[in-house]
Amino acid sequence: GNSVTQMEGPVTLSEEAFLTINCTYTATGYPSLFWYVQYPGEGLQLLLKATKADDKGSNKGFEATYRKETTSFHLEKGSVQVSDSAVYFCALSGTGGGNKLTFGTGTQLKVEL
Amino acid sequence: EAGVAQSPRYKIIEKRQSVAFWCNPISGHATLYWYQQILGQGPKLLIQFQNNGVVDDSQLPKDRFSAERLKGVDSTLKIQPAKLEDSAVYLCASSPQTGKDQPQHFGDGTRLSIL
Repeated sequence: GNSVTQMEGPVTLSEEAFLTINCTYTATGYPSLFWYVQYPGEGLQLLLKATKADDKGSNKGFEATYRKETTSFHLEKGSVQVSDSAVYFCALSGTGGGNKLTFGTGTQLKVEL
Repeated sequence: EAGVAQSPRYKIIEKRQSVAFWCNPISGHATLYWYQQILGQGPKLLIQFQNNGVVDDSQLPKDRFSAERLKGVDSTLKIQPAKLEDSAVYLCASSPQTGKDQPQHFGDGTRLSIL
């Protein structure tokens, strides 16, 4: 079945540092890939998505590239801010019936001044 | 555009009691999802509706969980009787249609604590 593996957290960075959160997946066919962000006490918000190989999703300075050869979708940001502190979830939507999201376990990011 | 609305935000009950959660999706969204998010884990799909029909309920514990979307708009999820392991955040999401490229929009969730 489908699965998503994320690097474990928490990840603690200083403001303006470079961020990478690794995500790899297992799926049949050609899934769509997503990054969601969850702030404390809130639901998940879509951060970015990519629907086919070599697509790059981007939003609010975050980027991720759909790499089919390495089955990866790593999240990057060049300069993090304190306001980026949250839990980040990598997810995929498969090609079977329905389009349920399969999530990774989440990576907590803490950004300090 | 109003987002996905869920209520209540918090609920505390004792084991073996029953509880119900309500969700109103974004207007016009045909597909509605209920996810269970246990602390420290990613959300797991419980049930998916397309209009008022069930698309996927393969991971719904049907001996205690039930869900309905009678008029194809809002939905309720019920647990009866509750067990300690049901302590989690229950998230509702919606999307315009079913399809792997469709992003899902999430509500803020209901945090359920079982004593």
